[in-house]
Amino acid sequence: DGGITQSPKYLFRKEGQNVTLSCEQNLNHDAMYWYRQDPGQGLRLIYYSQIVNDFQKGDIAEGYSVSREKKESFPLTVTSAQKNPTAFYLCASSSRVQSSYEQYFGPGTRLTVT
Amino acid sequence: AQSVTQLDSHVSVSEGTPVLLRCNYSSSYSPSLFWYVQHPNKGLQLLLKYTSAATLVKGINGFEAEFKKSETSFHLTKPSAHMSDAAEYFCVVASGNTGKLIFGQGTTLQVKP
Repeated sequence: DGGITQSPKYLFRKEGQNVTLSCEQNLNHDAMYWYRQDPGQGLRLIYYSQIVNDFQKGDIAEGYSVSREKKESFPLTVTSAQKNPTAFYLCASSSRVQSSYEQYFGPGTRLTVT
Repeated sequence: AQSVTQLDSHVSVSEGTPVLLRCNYSSSYSPSLFWYVQHPNKGLQLLLKYTSAATLVKGINGFEAEFKKSETSFHLTKPSAHMSDAAEYFCVVASGNTGKLIFGQGTTLQVKP
C-alpha cells in the first residue's frame, strides 16, 4: 500500500528533552510538509521541503528543526526551545508534477510534554 | 494573500437531513480549493478539490461543493447525513504556486440519531 507513515502514534517526553518525530512516504512525492494542530484550531505549517536536501520555514518554525536527506523521509525534531510542544503533529506530502497541490496526510503523532 | 474563513465552528444535524458547511475564500487569482475531513485522532482525508474545471465538484461519500466566484464561496453539502459523517471538516486554499496550503479553522459536524 502506498502512503505516509508516522511513528509513534503517541509520544511522551519530559520538558527540556529534544524529541524526533518520524515521517516516511512511499508515494514518490517530491514535497513534504510538517503541520501542528492544536485543539479547535486549523493546521499551522512548521516546515516544508520541496526537494531533497532543501527545506523552508513555515509559519511557526521556532523551536523545531528538520532534515531531508532522503526523498522518502522528513523527520521533525521538537527541541527544548519550543515553548509549548504538546500538540498533534501531522506530516503530509505532495507531487510537484501535479498542479493541483493536493496533499496526502499521515495518521499523526500526538506529543505530550510534561 | 490567500485565506479561508469557515463561517461555522460547529454544525449539528439529524441523521438523514442535509448538511451545509460554509466556506468563504480570499484569493487574488483563480484558486485551488479543497475540503478535507478529519476523524478524531486521525490524519486528514481529501473529500474533494476544485482546480478551475467544473464549478460543481463531486467528492467521496456523497459530498459535493460548488465554487461561486461572485460570492467567493466554496460551501460543502451532502443531501443526507450519516452518523459516520461526524468529524472535523477543513476548507483549504492553495497559496500561489508554492504548494503550501492554508487551512480554515475547521467546522465540527455533529450528527444526531
